[in-house]
Amino acid sequence: DVKVTQSSRYLVKRTGEKVFLECVQDMDHENMFWYRQDPGLGLRLIYFSYDVKMKEKGDIPEGYSVSREKKERFSLILESASTNQTSMYLCASSYRGEPRHYGYTFGSGTRLTVV
Amino acid sequence: KNEVEQSPQNLTAQEGEFITINCSYSVGISALHWLQQHPGGGIVSLFMLSSGKKKHGRLIATINIQEKHSSLHITASHPRDSAVYICAVPPNTGNQFYFGTGTSLTVIP
Repeated sequence: DVKVTQSSRYLVKRTGEKVFLECVQDMDHENMFWYRQDPGLGLRLIYFSYDVKMKEKGDIPEGYSVSREKKERFSLILESASTNQTSMYLCASSYRGEPRHYGYTFGSGTRLTVV
Repeated sequence: KNEVEQSPQNLTAQEGEFITINCSYSVGISALHWLQQHPGGGIVSLFMLSSGKKKHGRLIATINIQEKHSSLHITASHPRDSAVYICAVPPNTGNQFYFGTGTSLTVIP
């Protein structure tokens, strides 16, 4: 069964900590995405990557960075966590050029609480 | 500016009721996706459709590409249908989706 795996389901961190959220996919997808999901706001794109070592800013990149050293792994980094980054974080992947035909595969999400 | 608008945002229904969730979009597309997210869970795809109607069990999705509108219907709703339903549209150019804000459905026994 193909999947996108996020390393943690629940995470509690302190303000100012550096936080790493990991995402691994086993489908040989070129595209990987990080979204945050908040009530009433829906899914908002933070960063995405079309290939290894490539990254593009999404709609809300401030306070975040990403790393893609291997095709299967896409990491989201909160350089200095703040309480307004408390949210559900979802990773997704897709074949290059194919989302409009096949869609994304999503991970199960990481619910991050910053205290 | 929201490329995708969903309504209603929240919906509570009695078990057995017929449910409709609406999605309107402003970008040019060739297909639209309906997604489902159970509480605390990841997101799964229910339908991808580019014209007409698709049916899967008690779920029916319709789309009118010219009017830029789609609906998701649930017949004989059941408490296990309680979830967030999200409309997603991939524009004809680019690799990203635009997502609606979701409809949170609660079906009461």
